[in-house]
Amino acid sequence: DADVTQTPRNRITKTGKRIMLECSQTKGHDRMYWYRQDPGLGLRLIYYSFDVKDINKGEISDGYSVSRQAQAKFSLSLESAIPNQTALYFCATSDPSLDRGRNQETQYFGPGTRLLVL
Amino acid sequence: QQQVKQSPQSLIVQKGGISIINCAYENTAFDYFPWYQQFPGKGPALLIAIRPDVSEKKEGRFTISFNKSAKQFSLHIMDSQPGDSATYFCAASSNDYKLSFGAGTTVTVRA
Repeated sequence: DADVTQTPRNRITKTGKRIMLECSQTKGHDRMYWYRQDPGLGLRLIYYSFDVKDINKGEISDGYSVSRQAQAKFSLSLESAIPNQTALYFCATSDPSLDRGRNQETQYFGPGTRLLVL
Repeated sequence: QQQVKQSPQSLIVQKGGISIINCAYENTAFDYFPWYQQFPGKGPALLIAIRPDVSEKKEGRFTISFNKSAKQFSLHIMDSQPGDSATYFCAASSNDYKLSFGAGTTVTVRA
């Protein structure tokens, strides 16, 4: 979805380096999420934020940190990258109030960042 | 440990055939069960979703069947088309809006 953008789209880094993945959205949604996707494991939630002042850990937050700089921006940092953090990373946004009439909660995903840690 | 178990890992179906993907869960607090479709190089996109107050929901060629007592739900793709070739993820959440995803099923539709 072009309304959710992620930079960079591809990144190669070395073990021990600190890197940041960025997510921006023009949807005006308060809720933002970071997931990683690994073959055979699906998508797993790393961190989520329900508004600018709210940051919550997901199921696999160890080794990651996030910053919610504004409603539209949510960044994911790997403090000291390790090879098993090689994965496809997705940002997503949602606004449940928009779906209430349809009795569903849509998350809108960005195009992903492919990260390789050597 | 995954809270939503999905099978099969992959399937191949002929054009016009039926694709069936199954998911099971244990957490009885889950009250929302979406399916997401992902094409290569793209992020997942919501395909169809169901809440446990109904046993079936149909949107076009896509149908979710839900069995609350068995804690299982499935996606049926009727009259499968080559354009349906994608990876499908089932998911579940409770009222905290955090989605737990299955491992994914890669569907290949042969023309």
